[in-house]
This record gives sequence, C-alpha cells and structure tokens, in this order.
Amino acid sequence: QKEVEQNSGPLSVPEGAIASLNCTYSDRGSQSFFWYRQYSGKSPELIMFIYSNGDKEDGRFTAQLNKASQYVSLLIRDSQPSDSATYLCAVTRGNQGGKLIFGQGTELSVKP
Amino acid sequence: NAGVTQTPKFQVLKTGQSMTLQCAQDMNHNSMYWYRQDPGMGLRLIYYSASEGTTDKGEVPNGYNVSRLNKREFSLRLESAAPSQTSVYFCASSEPLAGSPLEYFGPGTRLTVL
Repeated sequence: QKEVEQNSGPLSVPEGAIASLNCTYSDRGSQSFFWYRQYSGKSPELIMFIYSNGDKEDGRFTAQLNKASQYVSLLIRDSQPSDSATYLCAVTRGNQGGKLIFGQGTELSVKP
Repeated sequence: NAGVTQTPKFQVLKTGQSMTLQCAQDMNHNSMYWYRQDPGMGLRLIYYSASEGTTDKGEVPNGYNVSRLNKREFSLRLESAAPSQTSVYFCASSEPLAGSPLEYFGPGTRLTVL
C-alpha cells in the first residue's frame, strides 16, 4: 500500500462544475496535510493546507480532512480551464515540517 | 527577492559522470530540501538540511551526497550518475516550524542520464 494515494486520473470536468480530488494516507501520526498544484513543466505551488479535522475554505478551494478515516480531499468550485493541472496531495511524517510524503498526483482537465 | 533558484535548468550526463546541482534561497530560511520527481509519481525526498551545518537522509538518498555550504546554499551531488537518476530535481526551503507549509520550490533541474 502506498503511503499517500490519490484517485487515479485524469479527471475531466466541465467549466463551472465542482472538481473533487481525493487522497488517503497510511501514517496515523501525520499532522499536516497539503495540496499543491503543478502545471506541466513547472514546480509545485502550495494552494491549501489543513491541520484539523473538518473543512477549510479559501476562495474557490475547500480542503476537507478526516483523520479517523485518514482521508483528505480538495474541492474546486466553479472550475476554470486555468485550473487544469496536476494536483498533488502531501502529508508530513508525524509533525516533521517540510519532510513530506507526496501522492502520485491527479491530473485535472477543465473543459470549456 | 528571487526566492529559490536552481542551476542548471537542464543537464544531460553519460552514465558514470558526476555533477553538482546548485540551489540557493534568499529568504533566510533555516531548512532546505532536495526532492526528485519521476513521471507519474509524486515528489520523493532525497536529503534535507534542518539548519546550516546539518544534513540528513530522506526516502531515496542512495547515489547522492549533499552539502549545506552556508545558510543560503544547499547543493546535491551525483558522484557516478546512473540512468535511474534521470528525473526532475526540485530544491525547496522553509522555516522548520512544526507543520510549517513547504511553500517555496525552485524551478527544477531536468536531468537525463544516458
């Protein structure tokens, strides 16, 4: 079992729809959870982070964390073609700062 | 304020050759990291440095060495390159606070080993 697993893509949604990206992790000691967006040929860009169970909203993005189920998700509302990218889920080993374990990424395509 | 810079951007090596990837940050961060990214995979930690003068292994350290030259610079060395080291290499930096987001990545070095 991979330590961090994301739903396999590519995920295709129409413009204006909600995109839902999912991630499960195996280390119950993980304390911090991150979502990165990566455009082709570019470096990862941090878009959301969440530490506590529940929802965290930032503009069109909502991160959801359920530690009991070891599950974290990212919702993108009103998806735009510019949201088309690969989304990487990452978790910390315990609470060890920048030492992240990444999932393999989910490619999102938003069709006009 | 350039953030995190990496050199070179692209490199092609032959098996057995050596090279050093350079990374520098101008944000006065204590912690620096080297990750690699292979197609269809997320990033994997090679080495990290929590502070100047300290380095430690990550998930995939074999075949690599690092040097934390000063607070700004963290280099990654391939002593004898192998085709399995063909990858994109990202340097990153952060403050070492517990749970602090890893926010600053360099643009990457695309390495091909023939």
